[in-house]
Amino acid sequence: NAGVTQTPKFRVLKTGQSMTLLCAQDMNHEYMYWYRQDPGMGLRLIHYSVGEGTTAKGEVPDGYNVSRLKKQNFLLGLESAAPSQTSVYFCASSSDRAATNEKLFFGSGTQLSVL
Amino acid sequence: EDKVVQSPLSLVVHEGDTVTLNCSYEVTNFRSLLWYKQEKKAPTFLFMLTSSGIEKKSGRLSSILDKKELSSILNITATQTGDSAIYLCAVEAPNTGNQFYFGTGTSLTVIP
Repeated sequence: NAGVTQTPKFRVLKTGQSMTLLCAQDMNHEYMYWYRQDPGMGLRLIHYSVGEGTTAKGEVPDGYNVSRLKKQNFLLGLESAAPSQTSVYFCASSSDRAATNEKLFFGSGTQLSVL
Repeated sequence: EDKVVQSPLSLVVHEGDTVTLNCSYEVTNFRSLLWYKQEKKAPTFLFMLTSSGIEKKSGRLSSILDKKELSSILNITATQTGDSAIYLCAVEAPNTGNQFYFGTGTSLTVIP
């Protein structure tokens, strides 16, 4: 059972470079999320999606874009990376039809450093 | 504004101690409260709470929800060094996007 797969696991960028983080889930979940985690800040929502073809802004969306062209994939893009975007990024998915108590399923995280 | 507040922010205890972690929330349309343990990687699920007063228990960990006080506690008895982690509280709110609101976490360090 793959669950939520997130790639890459680590990345170092120079200021101004662009990159895309890929999240894939095989649980047919309708909701997907991108969070960033900084020391002492908990998990902050960047963008989320309620279904294929839909995206919405979360708490800290500036400097990021997302796309959900297929239900199982949710991409997070940084068009022009800044040092303030150095963080650990987590993708997650959930469903109203989840049969277990574990409602929110996480990917393994991406450690991104912007120099 | 929806928010989740955890206390204390950090805690250092000795092995064998009992700890109580707190989570309070102000969220529109509460559906559930979730507790996670995080050890330098992705959070791992501990408990989901939906009803007041019903204790969830797993080994030395237990948790209970008080919907009147809009809060929850996570208890860890007979702590071990392996309990050292960040404990995150999240509240599920079926607003637009079925969002999960996270607290800042409590960093627990258990020293031998």
